[in-house]
Amino acid sequence: QVQLVQSGAEVKKPGSSVKVSCKASGATFNSYTINWVRQAPGQGLEWMGRIIPISGTADYAQKFQGRVTFIADESTSTAYMELSSLRSEDTAVYYCARGGAHDYWGQGTLVTVSS
Amino acid sequence: SYVLTQPPSVSVAPGKTARITCGGNNIGSKSVHWYQQKPGQAPVLVIYYDSDRPSGIPERFSGSKSGNTATLTISRVEAGDEADYYCQVWDSSSDHVVFGGGTKLTVL
Repeated sequence: QVQLVQSGAEVKKPGSSVKVSCKASGATFNSYTINWVRQAPGQGLEWMGRIIPISGTADYAQKFQGRVTFIADESTSTAYMELSSLRSEDTAVYYCARGGAHDYWGQGTLVTVSS
Repeated sequence: SYVLTQPPSVSVAPGKTARITCGGNNIGSKSVHWYQQKPGQAPVLVIYYDSDRPSGIPERFSGSKSGNTATLTISRVEAGDEADYYCQVWDSSSDHVVFGGGTKLTVL
């Protein structure tokens, strides 16, 4: 049974950074890309980018380039998303999702940016 | 950048058929995936590669494409199908995943 388990909710100050983890189990970690998708309150899904664990290669959506970093740790089957220079508009639920079809999703991590 | 257009809302009576569209330029050349999202929950894949159904998804859910439009069809709609539905494609020109804006399905 494939599972993606994410880290818990975070409250951050504007200008700070947040790091969200996504631990995979039930399948070979490096066989699939890991995507990061966010959803602001009441809004739709927004793709942030993806990482290919076997190579560590990452693609970032233009909107987030320079502000987001993806890391994949094969030893722990865990992917990380770090977003810096946080602003209130970054308040959202952040999801990890597996593969091109996004067939499995983490439970989501609420990141609240507030002074 | 590539855009997928979905109607904001679709309403259907129980037992009827709901059709949710996803329009995009040359979508026929792309693989379309569909997700169901209920309030407070993560999205769930209901159709992948245009028309394939993951295990555990009822046969009432089907996908198709024609021209510049992909369609998610839900037959014999049930109250439990009420949710937001999103389409998704990979845009090879930008190497980006693109989501449609989402459609809220209301079961009357």
